[in-house]
Amino acid sequence: SAVISQKPSRDICQRGTSLTIQCQVDSQVTMMFWYRQQPGQSLTLIATANQGSEATYESGFVIDKFPISRPNLTFSTLTVSNMSPEDSSIYLCSVADRGVGEQYFGPGTRLTVT
Amino acid sequence: QKEVEQDPGPLSVPEGAIVSLNCTYSNSAFQYFMWYRQYSRKGPELLMYTYSSGNKEDGRFTAQVDKSSKYISLFIRDSQPSDSATYLCAMPGGGSTLGRLYFGRGTQLTVWP
Repeated sequence: SAVISQKPSRDICQRGTSLTIQCQVDSQVTMMFWYRQQPGQSLTLIATANQGSEATYESGFVIDKFPISRPNLTFSTLTVSNMSPEDSSIYLCSVADRGVGEQYFGPGTRLTVT
Repeated sequence: QKEVEQDPGPLSVPEGAIVSLNCTYSNSAFQYFMWYRQYSRKGPELLMYTYSSGNKEDGRFTAQVDKSSKYISLFIRDSQPSDSATYLCAMPGGGSTLGRLYFGRGTQLTVWP
C-alpha cells in the first residue's frame, strides 16, 4: 500500500486565518481525497483532488473555503480559509491505490481554531 | 436515512472475548465492504474488505456480508488489548460517486487485560 505523509501533524490557529495542509504520497496515484473528521464523528468527504483539473467538492463544501491543489500524481494541498472554531477537526488525505475500493489514509492533521 | 449506520458503542470486553461489530446500509448498489481500524490520534488503516456476499477470514478477523439484509459484520476472535481502537465500516460508491467512501460512525472498542 502507498505510504502517505501529511504536514503539519497539528496546528493551533486563530480565527480568520488560513492553513494549508500538505499531503505527500510515495508513489503515483490517480485519485486523492480530502476528508474531515470532527470529534466523535465519522469521516466526511470534502472533495476529490483530480490531477490536472479542478477538485470535485461534496455537498456542503465550497472551493472558496477549501481550495485544493493537485499539481502532480504524488502531492496535494488543502487550504482551510478564513477559519472559525467550527473548522476545528482532523483533516485526512487518502489515496486510491489498487482500484477505487481500497483507500489508504494519511496520519491526519489535527486543527484547533481559537 | 444515512447510507451507512453503525452503533458507535463504546464497547468494552475482556481480553480473549469474541467481538462482533456491525453495520447496516441502505444502498443495494454497494459491492465492496471494508473495515478500517483507527487508533487514537492516527489515520484509519484498511483492515480488510470483502466483495459481495460471504465471509472472509484473515487471522483473528472475519468479515461477513449479508447483502439480502444489507448487514455486514466484523468478528474478532481472541481479542487483545492491542485491538482497542475505533472500527469503521465503509463502502465505496460507484457510477457518479466513483471513489467516494461512505463511512459508518465507527465503533469504539476497548479490550481490557
